[in-house]
Amino acid sequence: TQLLEQSPQFLSIQEGENLTVYCNSSSVFSSLQWYRQEPGEGPVLLVTVVTGGEVKKLKRLTFQFGDARKDSSLHITAAQPGDTGLYLCAGAGGTGANNLFFGTGTRLTVIP
Amino acid sequence: NAGVMQNPRHLVRRRGQEARLRCSPMKGHSHVYWYRQLPEEGLKFMVYLQKENIIDESGMPKERFSAEFPKEGPSILRIQQVVRGDSAAYFCASSYGTANGYTFGSGTRLTVV
Repeated sequence: TQLLEQSPQFLSIQEGENLTVYCNSSSVFSSLQWYRQEPGEGPVLLVTVVTGGEVKKLKRLTFQFGDARKDSSLHITAAQPGDTGLYLCAGAGGTGANNLFFGTGTRLTVIP
Repeated sequence: NAGVMQNPRHLVRRRGQEARLRCSPMKGHSHVYWYRQLPEEGLKFMVYLQKENIIDESGMPKERFSAEFPKEGPSILRIQQVVRGDSAAYFCASSYGTANGYTFGSGTRLTVV
């Protein structure tokens, strides 16, 4: 069974602070995706990382894929209340799987 | 392009009834996935379908649950003889392929009373 563990599980910070969310697994993935989900809605894709060591930036969000393609991180600079939500990482192409396997999620609250 | 459309948004069923959840994928997407989410948890894979074929149903309970994606019309997730433990949010997603990003619908929230 593949397991994608995210940490921290819950995070509450003040507006303007920086934060990092981690996604770790013992499995190798061909690609890894990050989603954000708001209450009452489905997850929305933020980014896909494919190459080991790859770094992608999306405005104030920086995503990194580990060299071994087993882990990833999401760093948010100067967090804003609009960043509040559930952040999910998801691995594709893991051993024996032909679907996305989702992590446990990090619930972020940014306090104005 | 209306995105992935799921209906109904909310569904209440009594124990023992049947629940039918519908999903119309994005135009041009031939891959459909169903996921289940309990409160404060991540998404658990249930089933992956392409037109008229079930590709992977390893996450779906063997009894009472079934899924289809007919040549014409939406994908259907059917739960027979629902029990309280079936209460959850059920999300459908579609994509061009398994390595591509998924587009999710807004989900169907099933409540079994």
